[in-house]
Amino acid sequence: EAGVTQFPSHSVIEKGQTVTLRCDPISGHDNLYWYRRVMGKEIKFLLHFVKESKQDESGMPNNRFLAERTGGTYSTLKVQPAELEDSGVYFCASSSSYRGPWETQYFGPGTRLLVL
Amino acid sequence: AQKVTQAQTEISVVEKEDVTLDCVYETRDTTYYLFWYKQPPSGELVFLIRRNSFDEQNEISGRYSWNFQKSTSSFNFTITASQVVDSAVYFCALSEAHYGGATNKLIFGTGTLLAVQP
Repeated sequence: EAGVTQFPSHSVIEKGQTVTLRCDPISGHDNLYWYRRVMGKEIKFLLHFVKESKQDESGMPNNRFLAERTGGTYSTLKVQPAELEDSGVYFCASSSSYRGPWETQYFGPGTRLLVL
Repeated sequence: AQKVTQAQTEISVVEKEDVTLDCVYETRDTTYYLFWYKQPPSGELVFLIRRNSFDEQNEISGRYSWNFQKSTSSFNFTITASQVVDSAVYFCALSEAHYGGATNKLIFGTGTLLAVQP
């Protein structure tokens, strides 16, 4: 079974540009999460999809970030316009069904974003 | 407030040494779940273990063991006879038992970088 995949693995852009990150969850997983780790700090929750609906987007830093999950399969996270403080590693995770907080989330390798 | 603290930023040991990674958590919930993830140099977060707040039994899996103590709000991870392949960043995480549609987001510590020297 294929794991969570993320594309691209690395992205270097200039301040003010737009970047779109993609996440493909494990096949059949209804839940998809985005997290971010800024250098040296903890991994922080951004948002949670259940199928195509946003269950919780309380961690999204501001309106420059837009996440979508059309059709309830893959998800994209767009940053527009990017700022220096957006640099970090963006992780995607998925879990099979929302039954409770014990559900294990399986993570992808992350996208390393550097904004210059 | 929910919080996970991993006070050890970096640990360096020589192969075959035992090493313990500390994790201290804060939560007001009586039902919660604790996790450990490993991040090897390849970058992905690999799930290691999940414990619930009602089960304080220690867990052993090969060279790995976990010590959960509610009295001290700790969930420490010990690697026995460490190997070079254990070199990675290890994250401890907390998930609270919110039902009724709330998300089970993970609250992570800052991670501990373990370097095992040959």
